[in-house]
Amino acid sequence: ETGVTQTPRHLVMGMTNKKSLKCEQHLGHNAMYWYKQSAKKPLELMFVYNFKEQTENNSVPSRFSPECPNSSHLFLHLHTLQPEDSALYLCASSQDSYGTDTQYFGPGTRLTVL
Amino acid sequence: AQSVTQLGSHVSVSEGALVLLRCNYSSSVPPYLFWYVQYPNQGLQLLLKYTTGATLVKGINGFEAEFKKSETSFHLTKPSAHMSDAAEYFCAVSSTQGGSEKLVFGKGTKLTVNP
Repeated sequence: ETGVTQTPRHLVMGMTNKKSLKCEQHLGHNAMYWYKQSAKKPLELMFVYNFKEQTENNSVPSRFSPECPNSSHLFLHLHTLQPEDSALYLCASSQDSYGTDTQYFGPGTRLTVL
Repeated sequence: AQSVTQLGSHVSVSEGALVLLRCNYSSSVPPYLFWYVQYPNQGLQLLLKYTTGATLVKGINGFEAEFKKSETSFHLTKPSAHMSDAAEYFCAVSSTQGGSEKLVFGKGTKLTVNP
């Protein structure tokens, strides 16, 4: 595997389910990110991790719970989601979290909440 | 606070025609500027970025962009469109404010290339 991978690619869940999204980067980067991409809205930064430590939580509801066990893996745990949470969830990584660093994105998980 | 405005959510050009995608930014400090492209069912891929130095930046696939501070713009161009350029393009700005460095994206411009 190369680059940034995300699993699953598609997920359908009910409002009472609990599920997790997984992201893995094979680039040796130190920073990882979760973004939400909804139709007709700008990409929204959700969380930033740098060297496994959370450095940014962009006022995300607690029904989204991130976990970063090491610099290569990032999870997004989901529970009691709402239909408006349906979106494409993108993971990205960069060498560090400096403003000049290029972010490398995974293909995303398309989430549908029924 | 930083912000990005992309003029035109949809742009349609003929194959071989000039591509011009507009981006204006707002930043109270010197910005770093990026263009990303997203093909269907894929994540975002960096086309080019401006950090410092030369204001005309060349990227992949024949694209380039010019940083114009006086106009707070970073428009993306390509002299001759190809069918494979059909995708969604995102402009983004990043700068250090209060120790927090993060990308702020525009809403995107979907490019259609007609044969």
